[in-house]
Amino acid sequence: DGGITQSPKYLFRKEGQNVTLSCEQNLNHDAMYWYRQDPGQGLRLIYYSQIVNDFQKGDIAEGYSVSREKKESFPLTVTSAQKNPTAFYLCASSPALKWGETQYFGPGTRLLVL
Amino acid sequence: RKEVEQDPGPFNVPEGATVAFNCTYSNSASQSFFWYRQDCRKEPKLLMSVYSSGNEDGRFTAQLNRASQYISLLIRDSKLSDSATYLCVVNDFTNDYKLSFGAGTTVTVRA
Repeated sequence: DGGITQSPKYLFRKEGQNVTLSCEQNLNHDAMYWYRQDPGQGLRLIYYSQIVNDFQKGDIAEGYSVSREKKESFPLTVTSAQKNPTAFYLCASSPALKWGETQYFGPGTRLLVL
Repeated sequence: RKEVEQDPGPFNVPEGATVAFNCTYSNSASQSFFWYRQDCRKEPKLLMSVYSSGNEDGRFTAQLNRASQYISLLIRDSKLSDSATYLCVVNDFTNDYKLSFGAGTTVTVRA
């Protein structure tokens, strides 16, 4: 089955801790994205990547970091600098970086701060 | 002002009813429009793209009104399985054409 997988489904972070959210796709898509969803708000773009070894900051990149060493993988690290990390994190991909193109989402990771 | 605004609802309708709701966008240069469906605590999934001439997919009809800068979604013959939050998505000309997501309109279909 082709698709996007995210792990873990739930993640708990202690104060001052960095945590990494996994995102893997086997759709052979070039572009990948990370969004954050908070209650009552639309999805907000954290980072995106057009191609391997390249990524760009989105609208709310502060306190986050990413890497794109493989086409299939786009992990997101939530650093201790992110002061309000509790949210639903969604990874998405599309065949190419065309903003009018359909994006396909993974099942998401819920991050909670202890 | 938000790029994309939606009435959060909820719209509570009986099975078989028709429900319709709009989404307004602020940038007249926006070019691509979509409706995504998001079930509770799940990921968004594309419901349909919205074309200038309007388009229909089964019981779902989407319309674009460029003059008034809104898109609409109409659901006919509502099913219990239509209960979800519907996200309006627009590409944002002022933000390098990145996608802007509305906060969603919640629809609840009751038996």
